[in-house]
Amino acid sequence: ELKVEQNPLFLSMQEGKNYTIYCNYSTTSDRLYWYRQDPGKSLESLFVLLSNGAVKQEGRLMASLDTKARLSTLHITAAVHDLSATYFCAVDGKAAGNKLTFGGGTRVLVKP
Amino acid sequence: DTAVSQTPKYLVTQMGNDKSIKCEQNLGHDTMYWYKQDSKKFLKIMFSYNNKELIINETVPNRFSPKSPDKAHLNLHINSLELGDSAVYFCASSQEPWTPDTQYFGPGTRLTVL
Repeated sequence: ELKVEQNPLFLSMQEGKNYTIYCNYSTTSDRLYWYRQDPGKSLESLFVLLSNGAVKQEGRLMASLDTKARLSTLHITAAVHDLSATYFCAVDGKAAGNKLTFGGGTRVLVKP
Repeated sequence: DTAVSQTPKYLVTQMGNDKSIKCEQNLGHDTMYWYKQDSKKFLKIMFSYNNKELIINETVPNRFSPKSPDKAHLNLHINSLELGDSAVYFCASSQEPWTPDTQYFGPGTRLTVL
């Protein structure tokens, strides 16, 4: 059974500093996704990573994928308060039963 | 202009009751999903339909029954509600299953069983 683990589960950030969230998965997967969820809100798609070495950036967020290590990272540059949210990674693909399996989420709180 | 909508947004009910949650998407997608998010924020897929055909049916109690009257709608009916059913239920849609296609999530329905 596919397992997706994120760490840390909670991340308290200071504004202006850089941080990384890690996402490990247990079996070969074709695709890796990052989603953001604000408190009481729905999930918003951030990135889709499709191949080894893929890197995508949007604003202060950058996601990368290492399929050999079965690891994705979400890097936050110069954190700002607006980035406070819960971040989920998810994987799918044939080996994952063609269904999206989510990590447990990383709750990010950016303090001034 | 909401892409994926769900009703109701909040649902509070007594144990043993039967309730339904409705989902509609106006994105023209072929595939729709139901997810359950528990109190610890853990998200797990329950069902998926592609062109009104059930393609993913996870291990959930048979008290949960999805119904897709057409490609744009996927409803979830829950019989004999139990305390453990309390959660946020998200509907989602994507163009196709089994492709690198982002899923678009609805606003969620917070179900509280008393």
